[in-house]
Amino acid sequence: EVQLVESGGGLVQPGRSLRLSCAASGFTFDDYAMHWVRQAPGKGLEWVSGISWNSGRRGYADSVKGRFTISRDNAKNSLYMEMNSLRAEDTALYYCAKDIRSDSNAFDMWGQGTMVTVSS
Amino acid sequence: QSALTQPASVSGSPGQSITISCTGTSSDVGTYNLVSWYQQHPGKAPKLMIYEVSKRPSGVSNRFSGSKSGNTASLTISGLQAEDEADYYCCSYAGSSTFGLFGGGTKLTVL
Repeated sequence: EVQLVESGGGLVQPGRSLRLSCAASGFTFDDYAMHWVRQAPGKGLEWVSGISWNSGRRGYADSVKGRFTISRDNAKNSLYMEMNSLRAEDTALYYCAKDIRSDSNAFDMWGQGTMVTVSS
Repeated sequence: QSALTQPASVSGSPGQSITISCTGTSSDVGTYNLVSWYQQHPGKAPKLMIYEVSKRPSGVSNRFSGSKSGNTASLTISGLQAEDEADYYCCSYAGSSTFGLFGGGTKLTVL
């Protein structure tokens, strides 16, 4: 069964850091690009970051550029997001998503999400 | 990068067809054939309905179709059914540093 399981969310104070993880199973992880997409409570979807299959290409939304870093470990079938200098506006449900191909930028599998709340 | 523009809401009766538009710019929708559409029911993760403008993933009903003209992409749902009531989002590739750009979402109501 294809599965993505996020972890690492929680309540954090503004300015602090958090690291999200996504464990993948049921498919050949290193064949696909992977992404993080977030959704603030009651709001729409926002693409946050993406990484190619071999980590050679990484992209970020302007809203997180310079603060968030995406990475992956193909040996561990895992995707990560290091989030620094967190702000209240980063509060959201963070989804890990698999690209349907190596570079299609379409997300055919999603995890259940991990909630990040930034508040003092 | 600004979000893609979608209508806030659309509605239709069972059996009818509706179209949801997604307007971007020449830097995203207009240049790349990498537009995708997602359906999201309340409390659920999004589901991919269309990718690369007009391709349907395995298992998605052929009542869902996609197209693009210039800077605007469109999702058409034919033969509306009650279970189609959901939020719909478009997404486009937007270049080598910002892979993805979502629209604001459209709430579809089946009357």
